[in-house]
Amino acid sequence: EAAVTQSPRNKVAVTGGKVTLSCNQTNNHNNMYWYRQDTGHGLRLIHYSYGAGSTEKGDIPDGYKASRPSQENFSLILELATPSQTSVYFCASGDAGGSNERLFFGHGTKLSVL
Amino acid sequence: QQQVRQSPQSLTVWEGETAILNCSYEDSTFNYFPWYQQFPGEGPALLISISSVSDKKEDGRFTIFFNKREKKLSLHITDSQPGDSATYFCAASASSGSWQLIFGSGTQLTVMP
Repeated sequence: EAAVTQSPRNKVAVTGGKVTLSCNQTNNHNNMYWYRQDTGHGLRLIHYSYGAGSTEKGDIPDGYKASRPSQENFSLILELATPSQTSVYFCASGDAGGSNERLFFGHGTKLSVL
Repeated sequence: QQQVRQSPQSLTVWEGETAILNCSYEDSTFNYFPWYQQFPGEGPALLISISSVSDKKEDGRFTIFFNKREKKLSLHITDSQPGDSATYFCAASASSGSWQLIFGSGTQLTVMP
């Protein structure tokens, strides 16, 4: 079974602090994604990656950085966290690339910025 | 501007009834439409998908109906079960240009026993 693991599951941060969300996949998928989920907005794409060393901006990249140091790991970095970044964050890996790609999601990280 | 819209936002049906979840889109280049199912505390998981060359896709109790001309699709869940209670996301992507999935805002389905 495909596996995407996120850590931590819950995080409380202070405004202005640095937050790093981690994601590990054992699917050997090239593509990885970071989404945030907010009520009324569904899932919105923040950053994605085609493979180790690559990161691309998604639809809402402002205030976020991403890092893909290896095939397995993809991190989302909030250098200066703000309360507006309070959300649930999902990491996913993709099995094919292209329009019919199937995404495998982790369980999510609930982030609260106070 | 939401490119993929879902309605209703929430839906309650009785066990055994058919639940109908609606989705519409704006971009005529979209040609792949997956539905993801999400249970509380978990990430979404692919439930069923359809491409724009088909007008219907069936998988057990789950059926997608697709109307390309009207840019609409719907997910029908027949003989709904309490275990189907979840949030359902419609998504869309195009085979050209930026092919990343665009998700709708979701429909929260509750099936009462």
